Amino acid sequence: QVQLVESGGGVVQPGRSLRLSCAVSGFTFSSYGIHWVRQAPGKGLEWVAVISYDGSNKYYADSVKGRFTISRDNSKNMVYLQMNSLGAEDTAVYYCAKNLWQWLVSDGLDIWGQGTMVTVSS
Amino acid sequence: DIVMTQTPLSLSVTPGQPASISCKSSQSLLHSDGKTYLYWYLQKPGQSPQLLIYEVSKRLSGVPDRFSGSGSGTDFTLKIRRVEAEDVGVYYCMQSIQLPLTFGGGTKVDIK
Repeated sequence: QVQLVESGGGVVQPGRSLRLSCAVSGFTFSSYGIHWVRQAPGKGLEWVAVISYDGSNKYYADSVKGRFTISRDNSKNMVYLQMNSLGAEDTAVYYCAKNLWQWLVSDGLDIWGQGTMVTVSS
Repeated sequence: DIVMTQTPLSLSVTPGQPASISCKSSQSLLHSDGKTYLYWYLQKPGQSPQLLIYEVSKRLSGVPDRFSGSGSGTDFTLKIRRVEAEDVGVYYCMQSIQLPLTFGGGTKVDIK
């Protein structure tokens, strides 16, 4: 079945880096854009970034632009989120999610992973 | 950025009774392709969000037909015809007509 599994979360000191991974299975990965969405403790959902099906287009929320980098490896069915210069405001559960339709960049998100928690604290 | 505003913030519903959630966008979500890019999600306690409704009114496969979406332009509504215990959680609307994707603040539904 369609599955997205995040990993790589943990506790990190302010200013440090962390790389999240999203392992995908159960569908034609190379045909779908993939997003990262985060949720701070007790808060709502905030879109973070998207990468197009072929990796040629990447877009970021203003809050992470210049600090976070999204990438994908279609040969390994993996998506990554490299997070640099982390601050307390980045503390959240990070979800990866796939687009509803093939080929699109901006789209609804039909399948979400279970999330990985990132805590930025000294 | 498109601002999505949901009301009410919370809703306490007797099982078997209907519920309704409103979502308003700061810009029209009607695209030139004729589609309206408005979605509804439910995040059950301790779980990831799950897509219920896409393009205003289309139920995802497997979503019970007691859930329905309606609206156009900037005003949208999610209705639950008869609330069941399994429907508790936080409901979010979301737009994808333009990046950044933006979500409403959420409506928490619980059972009386």
